[in-house]
Amino acid sequence: LAKTTQPISMDSYEGQEVNITCSHNNIATNDYITWYQQFPSQGPRFIIQGYKTKVTNEVASLFIPADRKSSTLSLPRVSLSDTAVYYCLVGGYTGTASKLTFGTGTRLQVTL
Amino acid sequence: GAVVSQHPSWVICKSGTSVKIECRSLDFQATTMFWYRQFPKQSLMLMATSNEGSKATYEQGVEKDKFLINHASLTLSTLTVTSAHPEDSSFYICSARDLGRRYYEQYFGPGTRLTVT
Repeated sequence: LAKTTQPISMDSYEGQEVNITCSHNNIATNDYITWYQQFPSQGPRFIIQGYKTKVTNEVASLFIPADRKSSTLSLPRVSLSDTAVYYCLVGGYTGTASKLTFGTGTRLQVTL
Repeated sequence: GAVVSQHPSWVICKSGTSVKIECRSLDFQATTMFWYRQFPKQSLMLMATSNEGSKATYEQGVEKDKFLINHASLTLSTLTVTSAHPEDSSFYICSARDLGRRYYEQYFGPGTRLTVT
């Protein structure tokens, strides 16, 4: 499974755009990139998933360059409630099991 | 849709006793479920992969005789922590993969806080 590297922590003010970059140099051809959000004492929540170029949903955008060795999660206009840990995961379908290996995650702190 | 529940949400038990944690996919079928453990301020660590109707696959370093996993149906997997000790106190989280959705999207339960005294 591809290893991921993210900043340990980030700080932002409410209303700003936050970009969290994840590097995954040994990503495999059939690997997808998925981002999860986790609040304290809760299970992770799926945010967004992509394979290449750009993916956008109602809460975030995911930018993936052509070489796919990194990806950037973009959170527009963050609020205090976006304070959480964000995990970048890389992996693909492998038969009946799709293991997810969580890295350290990025602890985002949003303040007024 | 795609809701995963866990029961109980928290449990306190005495050292030496066993505790069972249930993980249910409420609105979808899950051939595969995963169990994770998370210590305070740390990331999630995959413990085992639970496959419906077959034996679980444990990650290296996880004692299969201590953490018993049963996946008896497409909507239920259970984790039993046998002869629990204080060092087993942790946050246990399960996840399930929805066969009917994008192949690599997993849905996580809310977690179970286990405290062994």
